[in-house]
Amino acid sequence: DAGVIQSPRHEVTEMGQEVTLRCKPISGHNSLFWYRQTMMRGLELLIYFNNNVPIDDSGMPEDRFSAKMPNASFSTLKIQPSEPRDSAVYFCASSLLGGDNEQFFGPGTRLTVL
Amino acid sequence: GENVEQHPSTLSVQEGDSAVIKCTYSDSASNYFPWYKQELGKRPQLIIDIRSNVGEKKDQRIAVTLNKTAKHFSLHITETQPEDSAVYFCAASSINDMRFGAGTRLTVKP
Repeated sequence: DAGVIQSPRHEVTEMGQEVTLRCKPISGHNSLFWYRQTMMRGLELLIYFNNNVPIDDSGMPEDRFSAKMPNASFSTLKIQPSEPRDSAVYFCASSLLGGDNEQFFGPGTRLTVL
Repeated sequence: GENVEQHPSTLSVQEGDSAVIKCTYSDSASNYFPWYKQELGKRPQLIIDIRSNVGEKKDQRIAVTLNKTAKHFSLHITETQPEDSAVYFCAASSINDMRFGAGTRLTVKP
């Protein structure tokens, strides 16, 4: 298996633009997690899905952030409009099912909002 | 929801010494306690985990202990090596909740 796949690996955009981050979990995994990592705030859980259903989105910063999982093999995290303070590394992770199993992280997307 | 505190935030040890990182959690429903290692510029990767029905687990130079009553768990690294230098994250989770600690930057000096 190729592991968790994220795209793009790097994204540079201007304030106000829409940003879409993509994730393909490991085949057979039923839980998917989106994290944001910054020096100031560490590793923050934004949202996670079990069987394509959002379970907890309390970590989503504000209405500018949205996440979808239309099927078991694909998820997106969208920021619209983007702001400089959104600059961070965004990780996607997947696990067999639930938060109480090992999570496998993707390589991350480094987002820079100018 | 769960809240995880991790200490210390930075730790510097001499090669060959031991390192200990401690975490506390708040939710008694948490039943899974993984530790992740993140090297500079890379993704977090699991190094060891423990479930709530076990008090201690060891894998070569690393061990984790869990005190459910006190809601404490700790990572122990013995005979540290320069390649152990990284940021270590603890986490506490149940099937429907997952929270990471703030991380500990470990530096092992040769």
